Amino acid sequence: NAGVMQNPRHLVRRRGQEARLRCSPMKGHSHVYWYRQLPEEGLKFMVYLQKENIIDESGMPKERFSAEFPKEGPSILRIQQVVRGDSAAYFCASSTDHVGEQYFGPGTRLTVT
Amino acid sequence: GESVGLHLPTLSVQEGDNSIINCAYSNSASDYFIWYKQESGKGPQFIIDIRSNMDKRQGQRVTVLLNKTVKHLSLQIAATQPGDSAVYFCAEMGYSTLTFGKGTMLLVSP
Repeated sequence: NAGVMQNPRHLVRRRGQEARLRCSPMKGHSHVYWYRQLPEEGLKFMVYLQKENIIDESGMPKERFSAEFPKEGPSILRIQQVVRGDSAAYFCASSTDHVGEQYFGPGTRLTVT
Repeated sequence: GESVGLHLPTLSVQEGDNSIINCAYSNSASDYFIWYKQESGKGPQFIIDIRSNMDKRQGQRVTVLLNKTVKHLSLQIAATQPGDSAVYFCAEMGYSTLTFGKGTMLLVSP
């Protein structure tokens, strides 16, 4: 039973490029959450999605960041025109419902040069 | 405001000792709390949880204590092992999202 999968595990982008981070939830999970972690800090909530719907995006920056969770395929976190401050580890979690235990993926470490 | 780039609080113990990691939470209305363990290069891993109608919950080698009066959580690890070395975060559950504390690094020496 595979856990939450994220790819790529490491991503290097130059300033101004786009970053696409993918998350495949655990089998049977239809709720996906994205969190960002800066070095030596806790995870910060970004966005919560259920299949084809954004439920809560209160933690998402208003510009350059977007997320989707299509009916088929993984959830995508997209960062346009990346800046150095976007360098962080981005974690995805999934759950069976909005109060269920969240299982975390291994993260994508984004480095902006 | 939030602090950025500060070193994590660190707890160093000897193998076999008991460890206590503390956490203060912010929202007095929170009713569900979770402790996570994060090893280097990995995602957070669930350890134990507790609801606000309890003040203590025990698992295998771990105990979580909740003091709602002072909004304080603690994680006790019995007979700490080198494999317990990691960063430990407490998290409080809102409607559907988690708010994490800043974390404590536990270092266990043989």
